Amino acid sequence: SYVLTQPPSVSVAPGKTARITCGGNNIGSKSVHWYQQKPGQAPVLVVYDDSDRPSGIPERFSGSNSGNTATLTISRVEAGDEADYYCQVWDSSSDLLYVFGTGTKVTVL
Amino acid sequence: QVQLVQSGSELKKPGASVKVSCKASGYTFTSYAMNWVRQAPGQGLEWMGWINTNSGNPTYAQGFTGRFVFSLDTSVSTAYLQISSLKAEDTAVYYCARRYCSSASCAVFDYWGQGTLVTVSS
Repeated sequence: SYVLTQPPSVSVAPGKTARITCGGNNIGSKSVHWYQQKPGQAPVLVVYDDSDRPSGIPERFSGSNSGNTATLTISRVEAGDEADYYCQVWDSSSDLLYVFGTGTKVTVL
Repeated sequence: QVQLVQSGSELKKPGASVKVSCKASGYTFTSYAMNWVRQAPGQGLEWMGWINTNSGNPTYAQGFTGRFVFSLDTSVSTAYLQISSLKAEDTAVYYCARRYCSSASCAVFDYWGQGTLVTVSS
């Protein structure tokens, strides 16, 4: 089945930029979606179709996707951005049609 | 506004069954597929499958066949997840999530329920 690999953790100082990667075989050919999950809460969609933002999501959240890596970028990081982040794709060749990444814990220093 | 409201936490003994509900509001229930996602304690998100809210036809991911059943009651805009013969390893938070079709893909989960914790313990 298709595998999405994320770094377990990313640490960033307030006001700086956090970059979270999501690696997968030829992921650049797929649409990648990103979710934010704070402790004890349900996931929230923050970026879809590689780089689009749902209404209500700050412009500080952006995404890109090329080759074997998709990236979620959080600019001007705030304390409230501390959360787990998951990438997700649809893979028709996988027995798991909808695949989530392993997740990345973002810690704001 | 779109809302998915799930039923409350459950504590069950091994071998028992549980039925989790997900009540939708704020949109036409039959216009969007409903998905189910599991999150074991301290673990990541795992897609369990989905149900076509028009036809009622379910699709189960590998590992979620046999003991897991998705169903609907469209008259009350509610989706259900039933798990039978519960095991300790079924202990997890279960989420329902609406699938949204964008211009590029039909694979985004744009709204999620708040989650239902199912604990299986003797």
